Amino acid sequence: DQQVKQNSPSLSVQEGRISILNCDYTNSMFDYFLWYKKYPAEGPTFLISISSIKDKNEDGRFTVFLNKSAKHLSLHIVPSQPGDSAVYFCAASRRQFYFGTGTSLTVIP
Amino acid sequence: DAGVTQSPTHLIKTRGQQVTLRCSPKSGHDTVSWYQQALGQGPQFIFQYYEEEERQRGNFPDRFSGHQFPNYSSELNVNALLLGDSALYLCASSYGQGMVVGELFFGEGSRLTVL
Repeated sequence: DQQVKQNSPSLSVQEGRISILNCDYTNSMFDYFLWYKKYPAEGPTFLISISSIKDKNEDGRFTVFLNKSAKHLSLHIVPSQPGDSAVYFCAASRRQFYFGTGTSLTVIP
Repeated sequence: DAGVTQSPTHLIKTRGQQVTLRCSPKSGHDTVSWYQQALGQGPQFIFQYYEEEERQRGNFPDRFSGHQFPNYSSELNVNALLLGDSALYLCASSYGQGMVVGELFFGEGSRLTVL
């Protein structure tokens, strides 16, 4: 029962352009959403989060958008940098975290 | 300020054996959660410990058990290992019992291979 889905396993973007990573969820009771970044041989690291009472949260080059009616979450990275190349997991929570399967982002110099 | 530390980093076991993985949470954190990440998948919640008790549990069989010590460190035990238990086991720490009060801090994981 996959409650959080990331339908794009991979994404390639040119350096300086926008990266958009998408995430869909099924449980309308989720109250908190997060994005994690994972480099090889490292544990996931927290990137940005958003509460279900908001529709946008911005932190530097990273912006997360939440569309509750569509049960859709997206992460925008502008401008994309080669160091952003990693696997990105979205997660949703209500007392426990549910993770998507990840999207591997490659930023091409 | 030490982050989340896990040991061992890699281990190989055979079917039917038992394994114990260890985790020390980030300084100041009192809650430890364990996740299983199979190849090509996202982390799957196993269980969460707070005040030395299992507070929440995901959809994992009783072969998976754990413990939390008074210093907040934790162990994950898996009995009667199956080939399908091969995965990266991630420990995550946070502050606050049960509820999401902030992001999880993950360790680098323990890579278990079952032959």
